Amino acid sequence: DAKTTQPPSMDCAEGRAANLPCNHSTISGNEYVYWYRQIHSQGPQYIIHGLKNNETNEMASLIITEDRKSSTLILPHATLRDTAVYYCIVRVPMEYGNKLVFGAGTILRVKS
Amino acid sequence: GAVVSQHPSWVICKSGTSVKIECRSLDFQATTMFWYRQFPKQSLMLMATSNEGSKATYEQGVEKDKFLINHASLTLSTLTVTSAHPEDSSFYICSARELETYGYTFGSGTRLTVV
Repeated sequence: DAKTTQPPSMDCAEGRAANLPCNHSTISGNEYVYWYRQIHSQGPQYIIHGLKNNETNEMASLIITEDRKSSTLILPHATLRDTAVYYCIVRVPMEYGNKLVFGAGTILRVKS
Repeated sequence: GAVVSQHPSWVICKSGTSVKIECRSLDFQATTMFWYRQFPKQSLMLMATSNEGSKATYEQGVEKDKFLINHASLTLSTLTVTSAHPEDSSFYICSARELETYGYTFGSGTRLTVV
């Protein structure tokens, strides 16, 4: 079962920052948080991941709370092409390695 | 960056036939590959994990005899849907974990329609 909960949908104005929240209150100490997005009928695209510290790359920033029970993905200047389903995922351990178990995701609509 | 190629991108088959979907990591080695299924307006559901040279591990409720997975090399995994039925129609997506970086890269998906 997925270990994350996200709002089902959000709207954002073009050019503004999009802040997508995620709750993962049952996360364990060594489990990473990953964010992917999926544009209709395509495979998921990697955005960012982190463990404890805040992370930033060319696409987005990831803010993880100190207790690690929630996180926020920030798209600093949303464009129309950022309209997609955004998945917050906790990487869970299995017998050999780890796996990504997807939750329901958030539909982000960027509007002009 | 890492690229995963999935083939075919779409396929239509008749009920009772089998369909094979290929997943290749083009520029990296993947000891582990994952197969997901996605129904319309739903999230991705993990079906199974395949490790190179060993048997696949199936998630609860996924029939291993119906969804045959082979991971014969560090760059290729295949999913065969056997005796397909209309309810198997779905979007199938593979993912490969890169050996060195532990990043997870997804293929572009295969739309299977069983008629």
